[in-house]
Amino acid sequence: GQQVMQIPQYQHVQEGEDFTTYCNSSTTLSNIQWYKQRPGGHPVFLIQLVKSGEVKKQKRLTFQFGEAKKNSSLHITATQTTDVGTYFCAGSGSARQLTFGSGTQLTVLP
Amino acid sequence: GAVVSQHPSRVICKSGTSVKIECRSLDFQATTMFWYRQFPKKSLMLMATSNEGSKATYEQGVEKDKFLINHASLTLSTLTVTSAHPEDSSFYICSASHANYEQYFGPGTRLTVT
Repeated sequence: GQQVMQIPQYQHVQEGEDFTTYCNSSTTLSNIQWYKQRPGGHPVFLIQLVKSGEVKKQKRLTFQFGEAKKNSSLHITATQTTDVGTYFCAGSGSARQLTFGSGTQLTVLP
Repeated sequence: GAVVSQHPSRVICKSGTSVKIECRSLDFQATTMFWYRQFPKKSLMLMATSNEGSKATYEQGVEKDKFLINHASLTLSTLTVTSAHPEDSSFYICSASHANYEQYFGPGTRLTVT
C-alpha cells in the first residue's frame, strides 16, 4: 500500500531560524496536503498542492510539490514560538483517503 | 471554515463495555467521513472510511466487528468501540470531507479503558 515517509521526526530551532520538513511517498500522489497539530489539539488543514512542481506560500510558510508528485516540503522562514507543533504531510492517491506521514515535531526555543 | 464536532471529548469506561463516539459536520454536508486513531506522539492511522448510507470501508488490520461505524446522515457518523479493552485506549479523531479533498478534523475523543 501507499506509504508516506516524513523527516525529520523532531526539530529544535532557535526563534528566528528557518525550518524545513520533507515528505516522500512510495507512489505518485494526486495531491498532497499539509496539516499542523498543536500540542493537545487536532490537526488543522494548512494547504493542498495538486500540480506537479507547484509552489505555494502562506506568509512565512512555503510549500512545494515535486515534479514527480512523490515528494513535498514545507519551509518556515524565521520561525516564531507560535509555529510550535507537529506538522504532518498527508498524501492522497486515487481515492479520497489520506495517508499521513509520521509528522515532524517542531520546537522553537525563545 | 467548516466545523466538525466530536462527542464526547473524553470518556473513561470499564473493560468489556462499549463506547459510542459521535462525529458531526455542523455547517456542511459531509459525503465522506473518516475515522483515525492516534497514539501519543504518533501519526494518525486511518481506521475506516464511511460514506453516507453505505457500509464503511475498513483499513487492513482494523476489526470491523470491534469498531462499528454508522454513517446515518450527511452530517453524522458514529464509531462504537465494542467490548473495549485497555489496549483500545487512544485518541480517536474523525474528519469530514465534501466536494474537494480537504478534510476537516474534529477535536478528537480521548478514550481510556480501565
